[in-house]
Amino acid sequence: AQSVTQLDSHVSVSEGTPVLLRCNYSSSYSPSLFWYVQHPNKGLQLLLKYTSAATLVKGINGFEAEFKKSETSFHLTKPSAHMSDAAEYFCVVFVGDYKLSFGAGTTVTVRA
Amino acid sequence: DAGVTQSPTHLIKTRGQQVTLRCSPISGHKSVSWYQQVLGQGPQFIFQYYEKEERGRGNFPDRFSARQFPNYSSELNVNALLLGDSALYLCASSIQGDEQFFGPGTRLTVL
Repeated sequence: AQSVTQLDSHVSVSEGTPVLLRCNYSSSYSPSLFWYVQHPNKGLQLLLKYTSAATLVKGINGFEAEFKKSETSFHLTKPSAHMSDAAEYFCVVFVGDYKLSFGAGTTVTVRA
Repeated sequence: DAGVTQSPTHLIKTRGQQVTLRCSPISGHKSVSWYQQVLGQGPQFIFQYYEKEERGRGNFPDRFSARQFPNYSSELNVNALLLGDSALYLCASSIQGDEQFFGPGTRLTVL
């Protein structure tokens, strides 16, 4: 069965420093992977998606993720954190042609 | 362009009651999915509809049902509400089912 595991439940960074959110996936074939962000009391916003076209995927707001098949990972990074990046981030895999399966989420705190 | 819209924004019900949540997809999108997000957890898949047919169903009891209308809008119904049904209910639309765009959600509180 396809699934994702987010390795950190909480990440705290200083404003202007890099952000790294880790995600490992489990799949018997090349999966479709996504990162979504959820700000407090808001719905989910798609940051980026991987669908096998390129291993390095660029998303919105300066985020990018790299698909590494050898490590079964899809980590999300941003070179310089902004206060507005404080939110919940979900790594997601598309399963069975119709549903998204979410990781447990990583809460990002940005210190001034 | 209008995104996915959901109504109502908030809802308070008591145990045993029934509730109907509504969703309008992005124009041109034919697929609607429903997810339940309990506080502190990731969303869990409930249903997906495509072209008015149920394409998939998650591990939820039969108290949960949904339908999709000819204009591709959708309703989620929950009967015999339990305290554990308190959650944020998210609707997502997509062209065919993969890249899904979410609405702001309906916050359901069951007392």
